[in-house]
Amino acid sequence: QVHLVQSGAEVKKLGASVKVSCKASGYTFTSYYIHWVRQAPGQGLAWMGVINPSGGSTSYAQKLQGRVTMTRDTSTSTVYMELSSLRSEDTAVYYCTRGGLYSYDYLDFWGQGTLVTVSS
Amino acid sequence: EIVMTQSPATLSLSPGERASLSCRASQSVSSYLAWYQQKPGQAPRLLIYDASKRATGIPARFSGSGSGTDFTLTISSLEAEDFAVYYCQQRSNWPPLTFGGGTKVEIK
Repeated sequence: QVHLVQSGAEVKKLGASVKVSCKASGYTFTSYYIHWVRQAPGQGLAWMGVINPSGGSTSYAQKLQGRVTMTRDTSTSTVYMELSSLRSEDTAVYYCTRGGLYSYDYLDFWGQGTLVTVSS
Repeated sequence: EIVMTQSPATLSLSPGERASLSCRASQSVSSYLAWYQQKPGQAPRLLIYDASKRATGIPARFSGSGSGTDFTLTISSLEAEDFAVYYCQQRSNWPPLTFGGGTKVEIK
């Protein structure tokens, strides 16, 4: 069965960087996109970007351009999302989510989420 | 960027009642719309894609309709496990993928 297992919760200082991992199993890693979506406390869902694990191409939300980097390691079926220059408003649960069962841009399977807390 | 607006923000209903949730796009998204359910402390779950197609394993009491700019998610008879927050998402014109602000279905 499909699993997306994310790394554990992080507490970071203002201005620091965080790198969250998402390990995929149960399907062909390079056949599906991985999107990242975040959710601030008590708020809705916000799309951050997407990576195609096959070739590594990426697309990012404009408001995060320059601060977010998504990479993948095909040998371990793992995708990484790094966010730099952290601000208090980056405090959120970060989800990796798969796209491709119905279309590359419908999110058909989700990781368990990683809470990132940014503090001063 | 296409803006998705959901209404109402909160829907208070009793088990067994019918729920109708609305999602409106700032411009046409054709039928490229999905609905997700999120329960407290859990990741979202895909319910509906392409406006009206149920994802695998989703009960028949969930149905979606609409095209263009106006969409509806209907839950024909609410069960206890259906009380949750629901989000719509468009994929017509991306990046970015955009979500609505959510509708909370709560027990009356």
